[in-house]
Order: sequence, then structure tokens, then C-alpha cells
Amino acid sequence: AQKVTQAQTEISVVEKEDVTLDCVYETRDTTYYLFWYKQPPSGELVFLIRRNSFDEQNEISGRYSWNFQKSTSSFNFTITASQVVDSAVYFCALSEASRNQGAQKLVFGQGTRLTINP
Amino acid sequence: EAGVTQSPTHLIKTRGQQATLRCSPISGHTSVYWYQQALGLGLQFLLWYDEGEERNRGNFPPRFSGRQFPNYSSELNVNALELEDSALYLCASSLWEATLYNEQFFGPGTRLTVL
Repeated sequence: AQKVTQAQTEISVVEKEDVTLDCVYETRDTTYYLFWYKQPPSGELVFLIRRNSFDEQNEISGRYSWNFQKSTSSFNFTITASQVVDSAVYFCALSEASRNQGAQKLVFGQGTRLTINP
Repeated sequence: EAGVTQSPTHLIKTRGQQATLRCSPISGHTSVYWYQQALGLGLQFLLWYDEGEERNRGNFPPRFSGRQFPNYSSELNVNALELEDSALYLCASSLWEATLYNEQFFGPGTRLTVL
């Protein structure tokens, strides 16, 4: 069975600090996808990144970076020089890659509520 | 290009009633997914429709049902509402191609409150 664990329920930092959100996943599939979504107070899920299981290359996008390590089944997300607008709930998610029944559904972690204080 | 739209934004019902939530996918998308975000339970997969057929459902009772129309829009019906059905219901849509992962794009959600 697939499972995603975000152990940090809430994080609060002061603006301009760096912050890392942890994500640990479990799956028996050899091919899968990992995601991060941002959910601002409006409720809509905003897609941030997708990685497939064959691509362990870390990625940087502006102030955001992602560290994918298959050896530890982790896909952590770091925000550098955080800003108040980064305040939101962040979700890590996992999906199978096959087209079998049940494929493509997203399994989400519980989310981490990030508060950036001015 | 218009994104995924959902209606209504808010819905208030009483226990035992039925609720109907609607979702319009992005133009060209044939797959629609429903997720429930209940307080303390996180986001959970509910249903997946593609080309008018229910392809998979999550671990929810049969009183959660839905359908997909020929124009690919979808309805989620919740019968015999219970207090714990109060949640944000998110709809997502995607293309459906066998050889690719199909990105899901989410709508703004319908907040259902059961009194």
C-alpha cells in the first residue's frame, strides 16, 4: 500500500529564514511519481513540482528546491529566504505510474502548515 | 484557458439530506477526480471518472456516488448526509494518455457543511 508521511504538522519561522518541509513515502511500486502542492487559504491546490522515481536529480526553482533520495524514501522541500506569501499548507503526494485500475490517484500526506511571520 | 470550476462554493445541508456538487474540467480533459479534505483527515481520494465511466473509487461508503456527463463535467452526490461529511471537496481534471503521467489540475473546491 502507498503511504505518505509529513511528520511536521506546523512550522512557524520568521521571514527570510530557510525552512525545510519533510516528506517520507512508502510504495511497493518501482515506478511512481512524487509531488508537492501548495494550498493557500483560498483552498485551491497549486501544483509545485513532480518527480518520477527514475529521476533523483535535485531541482531548484527560484527560492524553492527539492531533494529526492530513494535510499531514504524521502522527497524534502526547502524554501530559501522565506516570505510571508509562502504561508500556506503544503502537501506531499505520491502516485503510481501504471495505467491499471487505481492508477493516477494521488495519495497525500497530512500536510504541513507553514507560517512565515514578518 | 479556463481552469477547473466547481459549484457551489459553499453548501450547507442538514443531516440526512442529499448534497450534489458539480465540477467542470479543463477543456479537452476527459478524466475527473474527486477528493475529500475533511478536518484532521487530510486529502483522500474519492472517485475517478474517465470517458463517462467510474474507473476507481476510494475507501468511501456507497452513499458517495457520482457520474460523468458526455461533456466530461461531473457530479458528486452524497446521500444521507452525516456530520462527518463536512469537508472541502476538491475536483481535479486531467488528460488521459496511456504512455504519460497525466497531470491533475485542481479546482477551488466546494465547502460542504452538514448541520
